[in-house]
Amino acid sequence: QKEVEQDPGPLSVPEGAIVSLNCTYSNSAFQYFMWYRQYSRKGPELLMYTYSSGNKEDGRFTAQVDKSSKYISLFIRDSQPSDSATYLCAMKINTDKLIFGTGTRLQVFP
Amino acid sequence: EAEVAQSPRYKITEKSQAVAFWCDPISGHATLYWYRQILGQGPELLVQFQDESVVDDSQLPKDRFSAERLKGVDSTLKIQPAELGDSAMYLCASSTGRPITGELFFGEGSRLTVL
Repeated sequence: QKEVEQDPGPLSVPEGAIVSLNCTYSNSAFQYFMWYRQYSRKGPELLMYTYSSGNKEDGRFTAQVDKSSKYISLFIRDSQPSDSATYLCAMKINTDKLIFGTGTRLQVFP
Repeated sequence: EAEVAQSPRYKITEKSQAVAFWCDPISGHATLYWYRQILGQGPELLVQFQDESVVDDSQLPKDRFSAERLKGVDSTLKIQPAELGDSAMYLCASSTGRPITGELFFGEGSRLTVL
């Protein structure tokens, strides 16, 4: 079993839809949770960062962490075609190395 | 805006040949990472440098891969000999050295195809 599991998709939604992206993990020691966005043929870029449990909102994006269920989510409201990318969850223990999920490919069509 | 520079962007080679990738991190970033991303998978850490010292190379296949960051600035990742299974995107990333938030700045990657 991988430490971090992520549905690979692809996920195809119409413009304006609410998108939910999810990851589960097995290591309860993870404390820092991130979402990276990776456009085609580009390197990943940090989108959201959350420490421990709770919610964090940034514009159209909301990150949720449920440590009791070992489950994290990224919600995208009013999705736009420019949101079409692969979304990678990542997590770490303190200053330890980042462990990435496999990524979910999202396509938002006009 | 400062970026992580990588070259070459694309490399096609035959198995058993040697290949090398170069990375120039964002100026002032003490920590440099090399990741490998196989198509359809997330990035996996190969090696992490703090200045010129290796911090973590536990996942680096040392029989064929080597990495160096001699002056603590730019870095080279070498594969010799290349194997078919090495086909992947090789991503370089850098951070300030206080990566609690997990913000790594990635380059655009070097895509390797081994024939």
